[in-house]
Amino acid sequence: DTAVSQTPKYLVTQMGNDKSIKCEQNLGHDTMYWYKQDSKKFLKIMFSYNNKELIINETVPNRFSPKSPDKAHLNLHINSLELGDSAVYFCASSQDKTGDDEKLFFGSGTQLSVL
Amino acid sequence: SQQGEEDPQALSIQEGENATMNCSYKTSINNLQWYRQNSGRGLVHLILIRSNEREKHSGRLRVTLDTSKKSSSLLITASRAADTASYFCATDPRSTLGRLYFGRGTQLTVWP
Repeated sequence: DTAVSQTPKYLVTQMGNDKSIKCEQNLGHDTMYWYKQDSKKFLKIMFSYNNKELIINETVPNRFSPKSPDKAHLNLHINSLELGDSAVYFCASSQDKTGDDEKLFFGSGTQLSVL
Repeated sequence: SQQGEEDPQALSIQEGENATMNCSYKTSINNLQWYRQNSGRGLVHLILIRSNEREKHSGRLRVTLDTSKKSSSLLITASRAADTASYFCATDPRSTLGRLYFGRGTQLTVWP
């Protein structure tokens, strides 16, 4: 029944590894997002997809590659993980693109720890 | 930067008291939103106020918006221990459609 679900909830890995985080929304929304929250709780947008098309890429290293197989799913693959990638990653969705008074629905987050 | 900035960073009050959190931003906006985040959870939308609105209410929440000062406030009346959470403002700038910019939040602790 969870509206926006992401897995895994916790991810602990070594530097240099490649990992993926999956996200699914069952709200029928057209737009999905990845946000990164650092240790100071600063929440920053990374990517946005609207109907499977990338519409926002907010100056994120190309080690991060989002993939949207359909509009209900947006996965995040990270290559060659670095210590600075440690953060909480949130998936979110909205009915349409923000700018039309859209509110975001967030997943519960993935705590990524790079050792 | 375009994100909002909340003030104070932390607020500690007793149950029954009112809690006021402020948000300042720098660019023209379409709307401003407030979200709540419980520890270890995702953000939950609380309220949205459009740029042409000055005040909005939802239950015990009251939000004001002053576009001339580029600031907003969130008032929680008669607070409860269950209101303990971080509260974030998010701005939807006119210049960058499709993006919501968040601040770092105000950590509210309500003591029983």
